[in-house]
Amino acid sequence: DQQVKQNSPSLSVQEGRISILNCDYTNSMFDYFLWYKKYPAEGPTFLISISSIKDKNEDGRFTVFLNKSAKHLSLHIVPSQPGDSAVYFCAASALRGGGADGLTFGKGTHLIIQP
Amino acid sequence: GAGVSQSPRYKVAKRGQDVALRCDPISGHVSLFWYQQALGQGPEFLTYFQNEAQLDKSGLPSDRFFAERPEGSVSTLKIQRTQQEDSAVYLCASSRAQSFYEQYFGPGTRLTVT
Repeated sequence: DQQVKQNSPSLSVQEGRISILNCDYTNSMFDYFLWYKKYPAEGPTFLISISSIKDKNEDGRFTVFLNKSAKHLSLHIVPSQPGDSAVYFCAASALRGGGADGLTFGKGTHLIIQP
Repeated sequence: GAGVSQSPRYKVAKRGQDVALRCDPISGHVSLFWYQQALGQGPEFLTYFQNEAQLDKSGLPSDRFFAERPEGSVSTLKIQRTQQEDSAVYLCASSRAQSFYEQYFGPGTRLTVT
């Protein structure tokens, strides 16, 4: 039973436009959410995170939105650049709720930025 | 500074062999995590260390999997009597105590069991 779901295996966006990657979760105990970016043959790289007490966090071109009532979060990248082409993983943690100490990941969305 | 390093990067093992995968975390990071990533899936949590103490091993799939971090820095994940379903990328991550959730990942070890 997947607790973190990324329903779009891939997404194609034109360079300069906005990329929106979506993530849904089922565990209401999750209290911290992260986005990681992964290039082939490399480990995931931390991008941005958000605590459950906030609904938005911004860092340069990257903004994460959290809708707790819908158990939904999204990552916005604007403007999209060719170097953003990678697999993006949504991850969640339930540490304060007494959950496991590791992160729970979605299956990832392959973002392709077209020139 | 140096990131998380893992060795070997690739390992081919015959079914039934034992393997040992090494992780060198970022210097000074007290927390260390192991994840298993199957093809087309996201990483799945295996185990967690705080310094040398293994505080959570709830994700280890069987008693053939064993991890240690005896001096609170380098960690080894050992898989005994490997099976084909063990084929995956094994990722190690570390984090500072103060930013527990922001984990820095190594490049992974791709294990193929034939």
